[in-house]
Amino acid sequence: QVQLVQSGAEVKKPGASVKVSCKASGYTFTGYYMHWVRQAPGQGLEWMGWINPNSGDNYYAQKFQGRVTMTIDTYINVAYMELSGLRYDDTAVYYCASDIEAAGFDYWGQGTLVTVSS
Amino acid sequence: AIQMTQSPSSLSASVGDRVTITCRASQDIRNDLDWFQQKPGKAPKLLIYAASGVHSGVPSRFSASGSGTEFTLTISSLQPEDIATYYCLQDYNYPHTFGQGTKLEIK
Repeated sequence: QVQLVQSGAEVKKPGASVKVSCKASGYTFTGYYMHWVRQAPGQGLEWMGWINPNSGDNYYAQKFQGRVTMTIDTYINVAYMELSGLRYDDTAVYYCASDIEAAGFDYWGQGTLVTVSS
Repeated sequence: AIQMTQSPSSLSASVGDRVTITCRASQDIRNDLDWFQQKPGKAPKLLIYAASGVHSGVPSRFSASGSGTEFTLTISSLQPEDIATYYCLQDYNYPHTFGQGTKLEIK
């Protein structure tokens, strides 16, 4: 069965970087874009961008350009999202998501809480 | 970026009520609109894709319609397990954008 399993919670200091992983299984990893979405505590959902696991091409929302890097490792079917220059307002749950069986994000990781704290 | 405006931002209804949530886009997005349900501490779940397509496994009380700039999600008979926050998402272009969410509570 399709699964997206994310890495565990992180606590980082302001200015640091964090790298969140998303391990995919149960489907052809290179066949579907991987998207990243975040949610600050008590707030709504915010789309960050995507990476094409087949080509490595990516697209980042303008808000995150220059600070986010999405990469993939097709040997182990893992997608990564690295966010640098962390600020307090980057504290959020970060999700990976993909549209694998439907024309919409039908599979999501369980989320990774990133806390930015001094 | 396309702005998505949901209304209401919160809603209190009784079990068995018909509930409607609206999402408006700042420009024409054809039918490139999805709806998600999110319960506290959980990842969102896809309910509706392409404005009116009901995702596999979603109860038949959920339906949706719309095109262009105005979209609705309807729950025909509210059940206790429907208590959640609902989000629309436009995937017409990049950046994809979510509505701000509608928090549904039981009266």
